[in-house]
Amino acid sequence: KAGVTQTPRYLIKTRGQQVTLSCSPISGHRSVSWYQQTPGQGLQFLFEYFSETQRNKGNFPGRFSGRQFSNSRSEMNVSTLELGDSALYLCASSPGGGGLSYEQYFGPGTRLTVT
Amino acid sequence: GQSLEQPSEVTAVEGAIVQINCTYQTSGFYGLSWYQQHDGGAPTFLSYNALDGLEETGRFSSFLSRSDSYGYLLLQELQMKDSASYFCAVVFSGGYNKLIFGAGTRLAVHP
Repeated sequence: KAGVTQTPRYLIKTRGQQVTLSCSPISGHRSVSWYQQTPGQGLQFLFEYFSETQRNKGNFPGRFSGRQFSNSRSEMNVSTLELGDSALYLCASSPGGGGLSYEQYFGPGTRLTVT
Repeated sequence: GQSLEQPSEVTAVEGAIVQINCTYQTSGFYGLSWYQQHDGGAPTFLSYNALDGLEETGRFSSFLSRSDSYGYLLLQELQMKDSASYFCAVVFSGGYNKLIFGAGTRLAVHP
């Protein structure tokens, strides 16, 4: 099976702009989660989508949003970018039937730089 | 609040055994997972403990004590390729379920 894919891999944006990141889960996986990874804060959970609905969420401001499509692909949007949003954004998928899974399969990430 | 603590760095030599500890504070705890992440790579799942005791997967083992809010990852017969960051992670429940990762332990394996 193909792994989790994320596009783009690298992105440079200017403060105040918005950005959309894309994630395609492993075939058959219905749960998609998003994480932000920074050297200072580590890996932080953003939200999880299952069957096109946000099922779980972390403690991020409303500027961070997401959605999931009927084919389980997911997008994450960050509006009004701030310098502190510079990070590696990781997407992870899991089969999803039993709630938020301990076993997540991660994609390679999108490296976002905000200038 | 919810928190996990693990050492920031551990150093060991090839062939040795190393233990990476993780302590947590939470209510609504379901279990403890471990992930490995090489520099520039994505985290990969290593193991999961829902019940007390030891789970063994090849050279890696993971242990959980729910009464002590403590777990560890044991790596045996260390190899250079084991040099990576290791994260413990738990799902906390309470309204929204959240997957919380520890800050990570950087393991350096030397010849």
